[in-house]
Parts: sequence; structure tokens; C-alpha cells
Amino acid sequence: AQKITQTQPGMFVQEKEAVTLDCTYDTSDPSYGLFWYKQPSSGEMIFLIYQGSYDQQNATEGRYSLNFQKARKSANLVISASQLGDSAMYFCAMREDYNAGNMLTFGGGTRLMVKP
Amino acid sequence: DSGVTQTPKHLITATGQRVTLRCSPRSGDLSVYWYQQSLDQGLQFLIQYYNGEERAKGNILERFSAQQFPDLHSELNLSSLELGDSALYFCASSAGGESHVLYWSFGAGTRLSVL
Repeated sequence: AQKITQTQPGMFVQEKEAVTLDCTYDTSDPSYGLFWYKQPSSGEMIFLIYQGSYDQQNATEGRYSLNFQKARKSANLVISASQLGDSAMYFCAMREDYNAGNMLTFGGGTRLMVKP
Repeated sequence: DSGVTQTPKHLITATGQRVTLRCSPRSGDLSVYWYQQSLDQGLQFLIQYYNGEERAKGNILERFSAQQFPDLHSELNLSSLELGDSALYFCASSAGGESHVLYWSFGAGTRLSVL
């Protein structure tokens, strides 16, 4: 079974509008962390935001927020006021603290395209 | 700048050949992770080293091997290359090797093309 599922292979959003990128995860580990990374066309992986499984509040970092719904095992990324520079691949990833070591497991990614 | 240096940036080689990818972690980081990003498999974890010792192993083929040297740089060796090994290979580093890592620094990747 897929540990991280991103069901939107590609999305369009109008500049200045908000967009939500979906991510669901599957783990039996009681302690885990969820991450979002951005990969522009240049290829590098850029860290955006982190949510720990025990964090009570949803994480926010500037225009990025993570809508964490633990019971539903979802960790959607919300980007507010989209900019042209937000056009990139976005990856959701998980760190499981007891079952699978210390590495990140990535989803398949969502390609976001911002329209002017 | 993430502080992680990967060389070379691009590598073009032929099937059956052997290549070595190099990674220098961010200053102070003890753990190095290797990931493969391909069109059909996505981003997959290959292997982790912590302070010179192998810590975790993922979907790494037997034709691939890695090591971390005393100066903490790491090398990923790919041998008997096949067309399907063409991918972007990332190195990432983190300060610790235990659980609850909050931040990995990723290198810019080495793009390998096997012709």
C-alpha cells in the first residue's frame, strides 16, 4: 500500500488565488512527521513546511499552511495568494519515527501551474 | 544554498558502465541519505549513513553501493548500469541519525543519463 498518496497529478490555479494540494498518508506509527517540499524546474528540493503528529495546531509558514486532519490521515498544503513563482512540483513526505527508520517517504507529487 | 554539494551535476554514460556520485553534507551534519528520482518510480529512498556507518537501507539494488568516509562525505557507486537507472540522484543530510529529524538539507542532485 502507498504510504503517501497525492491524488492530483497536475493542477492549475489563477495568480493571487489560494490553492489546496491534497496529501493522504498511511502509517501505524504513533509518532511521525509530515513535510511538504517544492521542486522547481531547476530540480532542487526546497523545504516548505512541517507538521508533527503530536502538534495540536496546524503549521503555518508565510503563505503556506498545512491542514492537518489526523483522524482522516490527511495533510493538505494550502498556498494562499498564488504567485507565478509557485509553479513547480510539490511533494508530500512522511518520516516515521519507529517503524521505518529516519528517512523520508515521498508521494508521487503534484505539478502546480499558476496562470497569470 | 542548502550547504550540500553534489558532484557531478550531470553524468552521461553507457549501459554496463560504472559511475560514482559524490556528496558533501552540510557542515556539521552527520547523516547522509541517498534518494533516486525517476519518472516511473518517483522519489525513492536508497540508503542512509550516520557518522560512517550504514543506518538504514531502502530500495537499493545490489548493483548499487554506498559509503561514508571519515570526513563525512559520501559516495554512491552504480555499476552494470541499465537504461532504467537514468534518474536524478539526490543526496540529503541531517544533523542527527536518530528519530525526529526535522530538517534535511538536499543537494541539487546529479542527473544520470544511461544511453
